Amino acid sequence: GAGVSQTPSNKVTEKGKYVELRCDPISGHTALYWYRQSLGQGPEFLIYFQGTGAADDSGLPNDRFFAVRPEGSVSTLKIQRTERGDSAVYLCASSLQGAGVNSPLHFGNGTRLTVT
Amino acid sequence: AQSVTQLGSHVSVSEGALVLLRCNYSSSVPPYLFWYVQYPNQGLQLLLKYTSAATLVKGINGFEAEFKKSETSFHLTKPSAHMSDAAEYFCAVSPISGNTGKLIFGQGTTLQVKP
Repeated sequence: GAGVSQTPSNKVTEKGKYVELRCDPISGHTALYWYRQSLGQGPEFLIYFQGTGAADDSGLPNDRFFAVRPEGSVSTLKIQRTERGDSAVYLCASSLQGAGVNSPLHFGNGTRLTVT
Repeated sequence: AQSVTQLGSHVSVSEGALVLLRCNYSSSVPPYLFWYVQYPNQGLQLLLKYTSAATLVKGINGFEAEFKKSETSFHLTKPSAHMSDAAEYFCAVSPISGNTGKLIFGQGTTLQVKP
């Protein structure tokens, strides 16, 4: 079946521009996560949605980062006034139900963001 | 606070040799522990997880890991490496209660398998 889909796969933008990254989770998965993976590092948690609401946004680095999931399925991560330090691979993951260890995370292939 | 340390950013083994990837964790309470694998141009895939049931955990593709509380370790092993095992491996920890999808990852270990 279809996995987690992230678009675009690559995004190059200029410093100061606004970008949107999209995540289509597996159908029926209520939990959705965004992670950021910088070069040579492991993924870092950004935000977690349960349904439409952001249940935990403690990983968002600053107020330039925002994410929405208005209908409880597709999610968009939005970055305003991009900086070169935002360059990373942004990963999305979904799971069938709430944040339980028996409901494993399914990761997308990520969006590679490059800010020039 | 929880943290994960993976010892060795690059590990190289010969095909057929033992694979050992090291992971140590820090946690004030017993955590859940995971190993994920990332093949080139693919998303992270769960290899195995420790959830306090059995200390020796078997995963996919012949991998296993042993939880050792006294050593705060969760090392990943495979008796005989295949070329197809070449990938990046991440150890991760999550809280035993609350948001267990909020994983804290190590920096990763790249496994190279030589013919």
